[in-house]
Amino acid sequence: EDQVTQSPEALRLQEGESSSLNCSYTVSGLRGLFWYRQDPGKGPEFLFTLYSAGEEKEKERLKATLTKKESFLHITAPKPEDSATYLCAVQGGSEKLVFGKGTKLTVNP
Amino acid sequence: DGGITQSPKYLFRKEGQNVTLSCEQNLNHDAMYWYRQDPGQGLRLIYYSQIVNDFQKGDIAEGYSVSREKKESFPLTVTSAQKNPTAFYLCASSPGPWRSGANVLTFGAGSRLTVL
Repeated sequence: EDQVTQSPEALRLQEGESSSLNCSYTVSGLRGLFWYRQDPGKGPEFLFTLYSAGEEKEKERLKATLTKKESFLHITAPKPEDSATYLCAVQGGSEKLVFGKGTKLTVNP
Repeated sequence: DGGITQSPKYLFRKEGQNVTLSCEQNLNHDAMYWYRQDPGQGLRLIYYSQIVNDFQKGDIAEGYSVSREKKESFPLTVTSAQKNPTAFYLCASSPGPWRSGANVLTFGAGSRLTVL
């Protein structure tokens, strides 16, 4: 059974304080790993797809990386507007997407 | 602008009543999905449809029903058989079925159902 574990559950940062969110996964035959951002009371918004170990993708202050067992979402010099819940999902041999519980990020000014 | 429209945004239901949540997309996507989100839990798949007039049960289909008569519409009915229906419901779509690799989901804004 495909599984996704995100850590920490919640993270508080000061504006400008860089950090990383973790997504550990077990899957039979990784087809893709996805990162989404979700604001309170809204639907998730797509950020990145990673397909193979060693792959990296960047968007503004966010950088996603992938190894054979985990993915990291690095946030460089975050701003208050980066506050949101970040969701990780994997697609394996079963083809269905499996989501983690998310990391709630709060960036204080 | 293309996107997914869910309605209503908020819905209150008395116990024993069926309710239907609407989901419409104008992205010309083949596949559509319904997820349930509860506090502290990941998104859980209720039903999905990868082509018109066909749909499959997800991980938590009991107490729910769907139809896919048109490509752009995928309504979800929460029946009285669903024991704990209070939750945030998210509709999503993707360009093609999971098998095709076109798996990036576009989500609607969600519908919050509360059972009184």
